Order: sequence, then C-alpha cells, then structure tokens
Amino acid sequence: QQQVKQSPQSLIVQKGGISIINCAYENTAFDYFPWYQQFPGKGPALLIAIRPDVSEKKEGRFTISFNKSAKQFSLHIMDSQPGDSATYFCAAFHSGTYKYIFGTGTRLKVLA
Amino acid sequence: DARVTQTPRHKVTEMGQEVTMRCQPILGHNTVFWYRQTMMQGLELLAYFRNRAPLDDSGMPKDRFSAEMPDATLATLKIQPSEPRDSAVYFCASGRTLGVPGELFFGEGSRLTVL
Repeated sequence: QQQVKQSPQSLIVQKGGISIINCAYENTAFDYFPWYQQFPGKGPALLIAIRPDVSEKKEGRFTISFNKSAKQFSLHIMDSQPGDSATYFCAAFHSGTYKYIFGTGTRLKVLA
Repeated sequence: DARVTQTPRHKVTEMGQEVTMRCQPILGHNTVFWYRQTMMQGLELLAYFRNRAPLDDSGMPKDRFSAEMPDATLATLKIQPSEPRDSAVYFCASGRTLGVPGELFFGEGSRLTVL
C-alpha cells in the first residue's frame, strides 16, 4: 500500500546543523505534499506543506524542496535545535479520492 | 480549544477479545481518517470517511477490522477477534474538504496491546 518512500529512517544531527529528510512518491495525481511533526506520546501535527506547482517553500527554519519531474520532495531544517528532536512524516494527498498517504517516518535527534 | 478526542488512550486485552476504539472529530470537520502506527510501517492508512460515507477501507484486514461513523460526532474502529499482531497505536484524524485540502488534525492515539 505504501506509495510514499521516506529516508532516512533515523537521523542524528549536531545542534546548529542542517537536517535533511527525503521522500519519493509514485502517483503523479497527488496534489498536496505536507510534512508532519510528531513528539513522543502525541499525534502528528502539520509542520509545512507544498503544492506541486511550486518548487520551494520556506517557513522560518523549515524548507520544502519539490522536484516534480523526479517525483521527490525533501524537508530541510536549518540551524537544527534540540527541540526539533521528533519523528517527521512526509505525506501525499490526492484531492480526487481524498486519499492521504504517509511515509514511514524519520526519527530525528538533535544533539545539544 | 478544538481537538480530536480518542478513547481509550490505552487498552490491554487478550487475544481473541473484541476491541472498540472511538474517535470524536473536530466539530465541522467532514473527513475522518484511521491510521495505525508501528515502528516498521510508519502510519498505515486503514480507512477514511467523507461526510460519514466510507471512501476507502482497503488498508484494513476485512475479516477482523471494521470502521463506521454512526453520526458526525463519532467514528469507531472495531477489531474482532484481536490478535497480538494488532498491537500498535491507532490514530484518528479529521479535516475539512472545503477549498484547499488543508491539514489533518490528529488525536493523541489509542495504544493497543494484545497479549
């Protein structure tokens, strides 16, 4: 069923470094690509999202880069902080079927 | 403070028992999704509804899982009979279909342990 592939599975970054998480999708009908952040014991929460007609979106320290031809998108966290330590999920949404598919998640740990 | 409410938060049961998880979506939201989270599979989509109608439940093992929305304020996920491999955290999420797809709002999950 998994139509969104996410890597790496886990990531350790020094404080102040750049965290990069990648995702690839198969179905070109997907038309909305969000990233969710999940802290232990909580449900995921929307972090940032992009539509396929845009190649990049930036919100504070978080940036999504989108490559439509390669069917890939990535999350960059600049100046990573210990408070960013969480699990990150990419997702893809199909507005025709309302199907909302998530990747397998990346556990990020930012060392102080 | 609008939020998705899931019950129970934790459930320990024995193999073969029936388990029912409940979800109250945010008032005004017309889509409801059920996901199962495991370490290996991430967030697996089990079923989802729009305006209380099931759109897709192909992610669920049909012989033991069932999902319903008796009314706009309640969604249920039932497992009968439960098996140890069903142990996971089950999340409910709600959203709106009007305009831009927008975001999904997740509950805090129901952690199920089947012994």
